[in-house]
Amino acid sequence: AQSVSQHNHHVILSEAASLELGCNYSYGGTVNLFWYVQYPGQHLQLLLKYFSGDPLVKGIKGFEAEFIKSKFSFNLRKPSVQWSDTAEYFCAVIGFSGGYNKLIFGAGTRLAVHP
Amino acid sequence: DAGVIQSPRHEVTEMGQEVTLRCKPISGHNSLFWYRQTMMRGLELLIYFNNNVPIDDSGMPEDRFSAKMPNASFSTLKIQPSEPRDSAVYFCASSPDRFSNTGELFFGEGSRLTVL
Repeated sequence: AQSVSQHNHHVILSEAASLELGCNYSYGGTVNLFWYVQYPGQHLQLLLKYFSGDPLVKGIKGFEAEFIKSKFSFNLRKPSVQWSDTAEYFCAVIGFSGGYNKLIFGAGTRLAVHP
Repeated sequence: DAGVIQSPRHEVTEMGQEVTLRCKPISGHNSLFWYRQTMMRGLELLIYFNNNVPIDDSGMPEDRFSAKMPNASFSTLKIQPSEPRDSAVYFCASSPDRFSNTGELFFGEGSRLTVL
């Protein structure tokens, strides 16, 4: 079965520090990969996505992610975080299961950015 | 666009009571999803509808849970009887077309359920 692993459950950074959140997936076929963000008290929203083409994907608010097929990874990065980036980040993959596509989420990584 | 609308936003109930959560997807969206979010399990897909038909309910935890989508603009998730371990945030999400084409889900604000 398809699955998504996020290595860090909690990350604490100071403002201006660089961020990298790990994400690995298990799926043998063509994958579509996503990062969603959930700000405190809000709903999930799409940060960026990869379907095909350039493996380095740029999203909103200065975030980017790199798809490395050989490593089954899709890590999220930001060169300089801000306090407003405090949120929970979810990696997700579209997997094919039971005859249908569905979006499978990782467990999430809580990021706290201190001023 | 009003987005995905869920109600109630918060519900506190006692064990054994029936709970009904409601969702109005974005107009024109063909797919609707119910997710449950807990600290222990993260985001779990409970059930997925396409064109009002349940496609995959393998994530529904047990018979106490049921979901319906009587029309394109309304879905319910019912728990009867509720138990304390059902306490979670329940999210509804919709998608505009064949889900695999975009993969993007539009989430509601969630319904926070507390079962005492």
